[in-house]
Amino acid sequence: ETGVTQTPRHLVMGMTNKKSLKCEQHLGHNAMYWYKQSAKKPLELMFVYNFKEQTENNSVPSRFSPECPNSSHLFLHLHTLQPEDSALYLCASSPPRIGGDTEAFFGQGTRLTVV
Amino acid sequence: QKEVEQNSGPLSVPEGAIASLNCTYSDRGSQSFFWYRQYSGKSPELIMFIYSNGDKEDGRFTAQLNKASQYVSLLIRDSQPSDSATYLCAVIFSGGYNKLIFGAGTRLAVHP
Repeated sequence: ETGVTQTPRHLVMGMTNKKSLKCEQHLGHNAMYWYKQSAKKPLELMFVYNFKEQTENNSVPSRFSPECPNSSHLFLHLHTLQPEDSALYLCASSPPRIGGDTEAFFGQGTRLTVV
Repeated sequence: QKEVEQNSGPLSVPEGAIASLNCTYSDRGSQSFFWYRQYSGKSPELIMFIYSNGDKEDGRFTAQLNKASQYVSLLIRDSQPSDSATYLCAVIFSGGYNKLIFGAGTRLAVHP
């Protein structure tokens, strides 16, 4: 257990559906990340939030909409997705500036299938 | 140029041998480096982090960092079949807020 919780663990959705992924941490971290991992591809950084502010949007399509209401919660709102969006979506958190004995923790991920 | 580069493998080593995994990165100002292990279908788990040039040892694992060459490696001594996984190198790029970038990973297979 890393202290980063993602829900749901598995999600199947149609291309016209709207769903949300949730990530929660109570580690006192102020940086939170969304990553996408497609089959046989590297982890792709999608979004970064620092102190609730979005500091990175890695050219992600607008059908993915992140929300960070506070430093402990991060959402990824999904709408009109495509089958190629099927992947493992991972959330991670870290202290605001990494240095010394700190690390980034990952949640268990949400396995998303778009049908 | 890819930001964080790793050989995709597979790297095959016999049980008990030393496995050597390598990673290069493009941002010369990067200060923080991580090795994660990922089993198939699971999320990455942190093995080690290193910030200073030189070696850092933790049990059977040794991380090596050479900032001048922009190179970081992971050695696994006495490799076990349970070490078979994909190993991901990650780097915090310099400047402003955190941006944790991963390499594509190296698949390690330890055979009995």
